[in-house]
Amino acid sequence: SQTIHQWPATLVQPVGSPLSLECTVEGTSNPNLYWYRQAAGRGLQLLFYSVGIGQISSEVPQNLSASRPQDRQFILSSKKLLLSDSGFYLCACPSSQGAISGANVLTFGAGSRLTVL
Amino acid sequence: LAKTTQPISMDSYEGQEVNITCSHNNIATNDYITWYQQFPSQGPRFIIQGYKTKVTNEVASLFIPADRKSSTLSLPRVSLSDTAVYYCLVGAYNQGGKLIFGQGTELSVKP
Repeated sequence: SQTIHQWPATLVQPVGSPLSLECTVEGTSNPNLYWYRQAAGRGLQLLFYSVGIGQISSEVPQNLSASRPQDRQFILSSKKLLLSDSGFYLCACPSSQGAISGANVLTFGAGSRLTVL
Repeated sequence: LAKTTQPISMDSYEGQEVNITCSHNNIATNDYITWYQQFPSQGPRFIIQGYKTKVTNEVASLFIPADRKSSTLSLPRVSLSDTAVYYCLVGAYNQGGKLIFGQGTELSVKP
């Protein structure tokens, strides 16, 4: 089964500082990878998804970017953080747990909580 | 992509059955319906998935009518530990990759 590692778990950054959140996946190869963000009291917002190395699709215009330098590595970055970037960032990949093959079941990492001050 | 609509919140009491309905009027032929549970400061976890009719597992049942334009997650005899946010997700990641969650339903179970 798939395991997703995210770090750091918690981060407090000043406005205007850079950001790098990392996600690595074990137990699968060439998976689709996803970055979601959850603001306080809100739902899950899809930020980026990737269907392969170097292939990134962006869903929401923002000051964030994503990269996939390796098959099982997905990185979320920013050059200058905004207050509105605060939130809970979740990395996800498809899972075969209890699912019909090829369908939309995702396994999520433990998340990275970012506070921008 | 199929957009989903769920109630924002629901209240229940321990021991009751809870039914949460999700509307997805423009669901595509190849889409599956998947439900997730999320506790605070954790990632969502898979509960149940279906394509049509009824699916049951050890934690929940999923009812899908013939037109598949809605689905209902049924939680039997809820406990305080079922207090969480529940999301339905409609889509098929092998059809373009994009999977968009709705706003979810915040279920509060009271003693």
